[in-house]
Amino acid sequence: QVQMVQSGAEVKKPGASVKVSCKASGYTFTSYGISWVRQAPGQGLEWMGWISAYNGNTNYAHKLQGRVTMTTDTSTTTAYMELRSLRSDDTAVYYCARGLSSAWPDYFDYWGQGTLVTVSS
Amino acid sequence: EIVLTQSPGTLSLSPGERATLSCRASQSVRSSYLAWYQQKPGQAPRLLIYGASSRATGIPDRFSGSGSGTDFTLTISRLEPEDFAVYYCQQYGSSPLTFGGGTKVEIK
Repeated sequence: QVQMVQSGAEVKKPGASVKVSCKASGYTFTSYGISWVRQAPGQGLEWMGWISAYNGNTNYAHKLQGRVTMTTDTSTTTAYMELRSLRSDDTAVYYCARGLSSAWPDYFDYWGQGTLVTVSS
Repeated sequence: EIVLTQSPGTLSLSPGERATLSCRASQSVRSSYLAWYQQKPGQAPRLLIYGASSRATGIPDRFSGSGSGTDFTLTISRLEPEDFAVYYCQQYGSSPLTFGGGTKVEIK
């Protein structure tokens, strides 16, 4: 069965970086894309960007351009999201989610369990 | 960027009642590329509907989606106790992908 298992919670200071991993299993990794979605405490969902696991193409949300990098390691079927220059308003639960297309950001049929990133001095 | 506005913000209903949730887009959603998700506290969202009206695998038929262009609706025909949750619409027809602000369906 399809599973997306994320790394554990992180606490970071303002200005630091965080890298969250998402280990995918139960499907052909390179046939799909992966998006990252975050949710601030008590708030709604925000799409951060997408990466094709087929060719590594990316598509980032404009507001995060320059601070976020998404990568994949096909040998370990793992996706990564690195966010730099962290601010307090980056405190959120970060989700990875499988997208149906490897060519374009798509809707999400499987989600990771979420990783809480807390940014605090 | 396509802005999605969901209404109402909160829907107070009793089990067995019908729920009608609205999602309005600021511009037409290409090819009805609209999805609906359900989220319960402490859990990741779950896909309910994609392509505006196609149910995802394993989703009960009491959930249905409709609409096109700028106006979309999620209907839950008869609320079960496990349906009380927050529901989000999402468009994937153009980048950036965007979500609506959510509708909370609570027990009356």
